[in-house]
Amino acid sequence: DVKVTQSSRYLVKRTGEKVFLECVQDMDHENMFWYRQDPGLGLRLIYFSYDVKMKEKGDIPEGYSVSREKKERFSLILESASTNQTSMYLCASSFGTRPSGNTIYFGEGSWLTVV
Amino acid sequence: GESVGLHLPTLSVQEGDNSIINCAYSNSASDYFIWYKQESGKGPQFIIDIRSNMDKRQGQRVTVLLNKTVKHLSLQIAATQPGDSAVYFCAEKGRFGNEKLTFGTGTRLTIIP
Repeated sequence: DVKVTQSSRYLVKRTGEKVFLECVQDMDHENMFWYRQDPGLGLRLIYFSYDVKMKEKGDIPEGYSVSREKKERFSLILESASTNQTSMYLCASSFGTRPSGNTIYFGEGSWLTVV
Repeated sequence: GESVGLHLPTLSVQEGDNSIINCAYSNSASDYFIWYKQESGKGPQFIIDIRSNMDKRQGQRVTVLLNKTVKHLSLQIAATQPGDSAVYFCAEKGRFGNEKLTFGTGTRLTIIP
């Protein structure tokens, strides 16, 4: 089974803190994604990465950055957390260009509260 | 922009009955569609997918139907069980490259015992 692991399930951080959300996948997937999920807004893509050291902005990249130093690991960074970044964050991964490999597999989510 | 939407935000079904969850999409270039199930407090779980060269695909107790003429996708769950209670999302992807999925906001399915 595909496994996408998010290191922190629940975090509480103060406004202005730097926050790291870590994600690891064990299926040698090329693509990795960070989404946030908010009531009524569904899943919104923050950043994604097609390969090591590569990153692309998603729909809502403002206030976030990412790091992909190793293929299996994709980190989401909140440089200076704000209360409007309180949300559930979902990491996901998928194969690259293989015909049957477009399915995106998700982790269990990280609930971040910024106070 | 392109969007993926759901007709109904909530659906209640008697245990043992069949349920149908609908999804409309607007991008005629989409060629890959996925249904996800998300239980409370968990990440979305892949259920079934379908490509645009197919009209129907069956899994275990689930069937996905694709009508490209009206850009409509549905998920049928047979003989629903209490464990089927969750939010169900459809998602679609364009034809080329490693494009991201576009998600609908979800339908909450409640199974009544």
